Amino acid sequence: DSGVTQTPKHLITATGQRVTLRCSPRSGDLSVYWYQQSLDQGLQFLIQYYNGEERAKGNILERFSAQQFPDLHSELNLSSLELGDSALYFCASSVGRSPLHFGNGTRLTVT
Amino acid sequence: DQQVKQNSPSLSVQEGRISILNCDYTNSMFDYFLWYKKYPAEGPTFLISISSIKDKNEDGRFTVFLNKSAKHLSLHIVPSQPGDSAVYFCAAILPTDSWGKLQFGAGTQVVVTP
Repeated sequence: DSGVTQTPKHLITATGQRVTLRCSPRSGDLSVYWYQQSLDQGLQFLIQYYNGEERAKGNILERFSAQQFPDLHSELNLSSLELGDSALYFCASSVGRSPLHFGNGTRLTVT
Repeated sequence: DQQVKQNSPSLSVQEGRISILNCDYTNSMFDYFLWYKKYPAEGPTFLISISSIKDKNEDGRFTVFLNKSAKHLSLHIVPSQPGDSAVYFCAAILPTDSWGKLQFGAGTQVVVTP
């Protein structure tokens, strides 16, 4: 158990819809990272938050946004969903320059 | 632009033998490399890492070798065990990037057979 909790585990929705993925980091970790894993692909970095502030951005689409709340949990919002957004979305957390601890992911299916 | 590549999508090895996983990278500025292991329906878990100032790091059955001139790293698992069957991801970090902004390879599926 990594200590990083992601909900929901699975999400099925239709094109054009909006969904919110939730992540609770390990206790004490101030940084939260979001990654996307599409079919047969490696993980792609989307965005990082540190103690409520956006710290780094990857190739995150404009239709996607994230935030980190005062209790350090984070949400990834995906809107105007397309079929190609179907993927596994992982959240990870860390403290300092320690290896990332990943949650078990949310599998998003867009139909 | 994939800067970290794992060219072998799969590897089958007998229990007790050595597993060698390879990873190539194109950006010589990467200064830290990590290997993650992933079981189905779980998130990746950290396995071992190496700084670019070293050429070898060992942790139990796992050893990572770094060849900077060839821009190549490898993960050796000796001896391989059935529980090692998983997908292994190589990842790298640029010193100019935020820690945690990992660039991952596409992964290698390892199957350890009895």
